[in-house]
Amino acid sequence: DTGVSQDPRHKITKRGQNVTFRCDPISEHNRLYWYRQTLGQGPEFLTYFQNEAQLEKSRLLSDRFSAERPKGSFSTLEIQRTEQGDSAMYLCASSSGTGGSFYNSPLHFGNGTRLTVT
Amino acid sequence: AQSVTQLDSHVSVSEGTPVLLRCNYSSSYSPSLFWYVQHPNKGLQLLLKYTSAATLVKGINGFEAEFKKSETSFHLTKPSAHMSDAAEYFCVVSDRDSWGKFQFGAGTQVVVTP
Repeated sequence: DTGVSQDPRHKITKRGQNVTFRCDPISEHNRLYWYRQTLGQGPEFLTYFQNEAQLEKSRLLSDRFSAERPKGSFSTLEIQRTEQGDSAMYLCASSSGTGGSFYNSPLHFGNGTRLTVT
Repeated sequence: AQSVTQLDSHVSVSEGTPVLLRCNYSSSYSPSLFWYVQHPNKGLQLLLKYTSAATLVKGINGFEAEFKKSETSFHLTKPSAHMSDAAEYFCVVSDRDSWGKFQFGAGTQVVVTP
């Protein structure tokens, strides 16, 4: 178990630029989640995958955001035309929930990618 | 629909004294409940989880939490605070109705004074 890894750790970009983050989950985990955390707040759900299928997207996720998980392994989160309001910590998590157990299998988090939009 | 409320945004304790972090939840079904800790510039670490087994759950680093259905609460406690417990703590709820989405509370910042 090498843990969930996220790359990069920090990203500074100018408003209007596109950015892409990568997440490598724990290898045997079939669920992968993206959350966003702003200062002083708890993480907010963005989207999640079961294997390669994206099962749900939050209303927080505007059309500028897109996530993929090709082949059910790593995932990428892309933000197009970044805005200052996108500045946050983007957290990736994975879990091994299967069948009816998905809701009680804990999430394992990476260290996050901190995005600053100037 | 599920939700979670952490009743204190900040808690300050002296080293060696008990810690109590309060969490109330709302869930349409039998929930699973979790506590996570986040140290500065670190990822979220699981402290403990409740998944309909024993109502008193023991976790890592001496923490424990008690599930009280009648009070819809899942408070986190530790008998004796250590300086290394200074961090942010999140209560999390999930249930069958949520299709695997985990709902986080706003967090409780714990400060430990010598």
